Amino acid sequence: EVQLVESGGGLIQPGGSLRISCAASGFIVSSKYMSWVRQARGKGLEWVSVIYSGGSTYYADSVKGRFTISRDNSKNTLYLQMDTLRADDTAVYYCARGYYDSNGYYYYGMDVWGQGTTVTVSS
Amino acid sequence: QSALTQPPSVSGSPGQSVTISCTGTSSDIGSYNRVSWYQQPPGTAPRLIIYDVRHRPSGVPDRFSGSKSDYTASLTISGLQAEDEADYYCSSYTTSSTWVFGGGTKVTVL
Repeated sequence: EVQLVESGGGLIQPGGSLRISCAASGFIVSSKYMSWVRQARGKGLEWVSVIYSGGSTYYADSVKGRFTISRDNSKNTLYLQMDTLRADDTAVYYCARGYYDSNGYYYYGMDVWGQGTTVTVSS
Repeated sequence: QSALTQPPSVSGSPGQSVTISCTGTSSDIGSYNRVSWYQQPPGTAPRLIIYDVRHRPSGVPDRFSGSKSDYTASLTISGLQAEDEADYYCSSYTTSSTWVFGGGTKVTVL
């Protein structure tokens, strides 16, 4: 079964660091493009970052220079390292997989999502 | 990276059709046919219902359809059902190789 399971969220003080994880099963993380998307309580979705199969990474302006997306192929796991955290980073963080057809061609949409992990930045 | 513009809410009676608009700029919707739509019932993760403007993943009912004209994409739900009540989000790839979401639209089935 294709599944994504996030972990590592919690309460962290402003200025602190946290690394959240997204363990994948049923497919190989390094063969797909993978994104992080966050959602503050009662608010809309906000795209955070993407890593492509070739290793290229991109970030939203709001997190550029503070967050780093990466993956561990041996663990089939996606990560988001979050540094210099601010109160407005408080949100549920979802990892999501890019949509591919059976021939391996990718499309612009995210078809598998995890259940989310909650990050709270507060003193 | 400004968010795409969606109406906060739309509503319709069962069986009716509703359309949600999503307006962007020349840096996103206007540059590519790379718009996707997501359905998010309360307390759940988003679900992909439209990719590349108008295509449905397997398992998504054909009551959901997508289109695009210039800088505006649209999602139409035909034959509205009670189970369609949820928040809906559009998203687009951008010329900066990033992604952007809309603010979301709450669909209410009257």
